[in-house]
Amino acid sequence: AQKITQTQPGMFVQEKEAVTLDCTYDTSDPSYGLFWYKQPSSGEMIFLIYQGSYDQQNATEGRYSLNFQKARKSANLVISASQLGDSAMYFCAMREGNTGFQKLVFGTGTRLLVSP
Amino acid sequence: EPEVTQTPSHQVTQMGQEVILRCVPISNHLYFYWYRQILGQKVEFLVSFYNNEISEKSEIFDDQFSVERPDGSNFTLKIRSTKLEDSAMYFCASSHIDRDDEQYFGPGTRLTVT
Repeated sequence: AQKITQTQPGMFVQEKEAVTLDCTYDTSDPSYGLFWYKQPSSGEMIFLIYQGSYDQQNATEGRYSLNFQKARKSANLVISASQLGDSAMYFCAMREGNTGFQKLVFGTGTRLLVSP
Repeated sequence: EPEVTQTPSHQVTQMGQEVILRCVPISNHLYFYWYRQILGQKVEFLVSFYNNEISEKSEIFDDQFSVERPDGSNFTLKIRSTKLEDSAMYFCASSHIDRDDEQYFGPGTRLTVT
């Protein structure tokens, strides 16, 4: 079974608008972490934001926020005020367990295109 | 800001040859990882490494692959007898022993096997 599901292969948004990229996950481990990475066309993986399973509040980092709905097992990334430079692939990933010493399992990604 | 570095950025090799991909993790990180991403696909875990030994490896990481930390800064992935299907982007990543909220990736090495 897929542990991380990203159902949107592609998303379009206009500059300055907000966009939500969906991610659902599947785990029976009560302790886990959820990550979002951005992969521009140059290929590198850029860490954006992290949410721990025990975190009470949704994570935020600048224009990025994570809409964490534990009961629904979803961890959607919200990008506010989109910029042209936000055009990239976005990957959701999960770490099971409560230490940093765990592999990440990635979703298939969502390609975001921001138009002027 | 500290970063993970990888060399080379692009490696072209012939089928059957051995390649070594190099990584310099962030200096105070103690957990190291290799992932790969076949073109157009998702990122897949290969292996994790801690305290000079492999802690976990995936099914992909068979006898063809090996990892090593030859000195205090480098972390290498060796692929013996490369196959066409080894063509991919290979990412090194590292994380801190006390931080479970970060795993930083290097810029990747694009391996092309011809």
